[in-house]
Amino acid sequence: QSALTQPASVSGSLGQSITISCSGTSSDVGGYNFVSWYQQHPGKAPKLLTFDVTNRPSGVSTRFSGSKSGNTASLTISGLKADDEADYYCSSYTSDRTLVFGGGTRLTVL
Amino acid sequence: EVQLVQSGAEVRKPGESLKISCKGSGYSFTAYWIGWVRQMPGKGLEWMGFIFPGDSETRYSPSFQGQVTISADKSISTAFLHLKSLKASDTAIYYCASAALEEFLQHWGQGTLVTVSS
Repeated sequence: QSALTQPASVSGSLGQSITISCSGTSSDVGGYNFVSWYQQHPGKAPKLLTFDVTNRPSGVSTRFSGSKSGNTASLTISGLKADDEADYYCSSYTSDRTLVFGGGTRLTVL
Repeated sequence: EVQLVQSGAEVRKPGESLKISCKGSGYSFTAYWIGWVRQMPGKGLEWMGFIFPGDSETRYSPSFQGQVTISADKSISTAFLHLKSLKASDTAIYYCASAALEEFLQHWGQGTLVTVSS
């Protein structure tokens, strides 16, 4: 069970949009619409941003949106704010009925 | 309001074992999955395993199978992570998290720092 593949870092300017990718296989990302994304600020617990590819929990900003094509999922953050600077992790349900995380992406807001 | 409150930081020596807890409140404890996630210093999140307290169904990541045991006590709405034969490399923050469905982790505990050092 290998970790999903994310870019180590991305950056964007205030107000811009960025997209973080998350690549897996047909046994995880490609096989199920069960991809979720998490935000983690330094020293804090992770926070669920999206689940089941495109759904957002109550209270999460509409600036965060998820999508998927084939074996690759994506998280798009629009209208970047300073507080969006954090680590982002994708996760997928797998054919083993387990979960697997991506390696994480550090977002820098310029 | 759903809350998960974890036990406090622990320091152990190599070879010792440890059980950390995660108490749920504000929801039906037996109807939600509880997962455990490890985060080693400066590293990413690693999913360790799940338990469904309603029937004690448990699943483990292959990376952690046999190394840890996940359990739950419905009478006190608390899940446990038992770490066996600790090594220095087990030094990490361990998070519990719950969700109504097994495909994601919605509500997170504050994390428990475990330090293993001789």
